[in-house]
Amino acid sequence: AQSVAQPEDQVNVAEGNPLTVKCTYSVSGNPYLFWYVQYPNRGLQFLLKYITGDNLVKGSYGFEAEFNKSQTSFHLKKPSALVSDSALYFCAVRDERDYKLSFGAGTTVTVRA
Amino acid sequence: DTAVSQTPKYLVTQMGNDKSIKCEQNLGHDTMYWYKQDSKKFLKIMFSYNNKELIINETVPNRFSPKSPDKAHLNLHINSLELGDSAVYFCASSLTDRVWDGYTFGSGTRLTVV
Repeated sequence: AQSVAQPEDQVNVAEGNPLTVKCTYSVSGNPYLFWYVQYPNRGLQFLLKYITGDNLVKGSYGFEAEFNKSQTSFHLKKPSALVSDSALYFCAVRDERDYKLSFGAGTTVTVRA
Repeated sequence: DTAVSQTPKYLVTQMGNDKSIKCEQNLGHDTMYWYKQDSKKFLKIMFSYNNKELIINETVPNRFSPKSPDKAHLNLHINSLELGDSAVYFCASSLTDRVWDGYTFGSGTRLTVV
């Protein structure tokens, strides 16, 4: 079985400050990890993924995420948040042997000007 | 040239009606999915088809019936609609041989049952 936990329902930061959205996962085999963003009344957009290799992955819009196998975490980060980053962020995991992509409950990010 | 397109975008209907949502992808993917996003924004997989074969069938009322006429299309038919069916339904697709890729999502269908 595979699962994802996003421990924070909401994250609030001031524009220009660092942004971190937390994610932990559980899979039987090797994980494929993803971050998606959903803007109001829109579909999900891919941000970045970890498959193998370097634990720090870079994605769209200046986001990055760090894979930590010992802590089974894949936290999303942005060094300097923008008001336009305000959205709903989903972490997702897929076992390498499974079709299914399982999502966390989502974290609403609000960046204030 | 939208990659994954869903129709309709909005659907308002009365309880007890039967309705369908259509999904088409032009990415050459061989696997398609339906997800339900409830009012709390939680995303839950419902069904998945790989080359027209049902491969994922989560615990979903049998009022919901997916149909895949070919690998580029996956439709969702819902019988006897109930208030609790109100949600946003997302279609997605992926390529089996590239399991490390994520999914490509459609923009969603907002279903409101009144």
